[in-house]
Amino acid sequence: DTAVSQTPKYLVTQMGNDKSIKCEQNLGHDTMYWYKQDSKKFLKIMFSYNNKELIINETVPNRFSPKSPDKAHLNLHINSLELGDSAVYFCASSRVHNEQFFGPGTRLTVL
Amino acid sequence: GQNIDQPTEMTATEGAIVQINCTYQTSGFNGLFWYQQHAGEAPTFLSYNVLDGLEEKGRFSSFLSRSKGYSYLLLKELQMKDSASYLCAVWAYSSASKIIFGSGTRLSIRP
Repeated sequence: DTAVSQTPKYLVTQMGNDKSIKCEQNLGHDTMYWYKQDSKKFLKIMFSYNNKELIINETVPNRFSPKSPDKAHLNLHINSLELGDSAVYFCASSRVHNEQFFGPGTRLTVL
Repeated sequence: GQNIDQPTEMTATEGAIVQINCTYQTSGFNGLFWYQQHAGEAPTFLSYNVLDGLEEKGRFSSFLSRSKGYSYLLLKELQMKDSASYLCAVWAYSSASKIIFGSGTRLSIRP
């Protein structure tokens, strides 16, 4: 009965690899987000989707590609991982412009 | 530009009251959120202010002054479990509507 779930919780990989993080919400929200939280704990938005359409695309390298197969899912694929990609990635969902519900986070470590 | 400022760290005593301030400068303003984030966990919603004034919710209250670009979160009867980071976030609107987070205030409670 988890509201927003992400998999995996931990991801350790080598530089140059490609990896994906999955996110699902069962709250019936129409908007989903990806955030990156770096070592200084600064939470920065990366992408936002509303009804499967991309509405926010911050200045994120094009190695990051979100995909929303339906309203309840927003996955994040990362190509050619770099050391600087190490961070905690949070998925979140909301009704448009309301409080956001966050997933548990995925701690990505690039070696 | 978009800027949200809050103190990096604060310390308070169990049972006391603490006020965490947040000032913001954003392109467009539709509301201000406060989130709590315990170490290693996801942010959780505390409050949302749209109009000027004080919103009280149990031990936590949040205040907003739109004309001054200022908000504070007031925590009363502090408990050890209140040790966490508190994130101020503004729903801004420029070319696209999005929520911008401050860097957070890490609050430590001492016995």
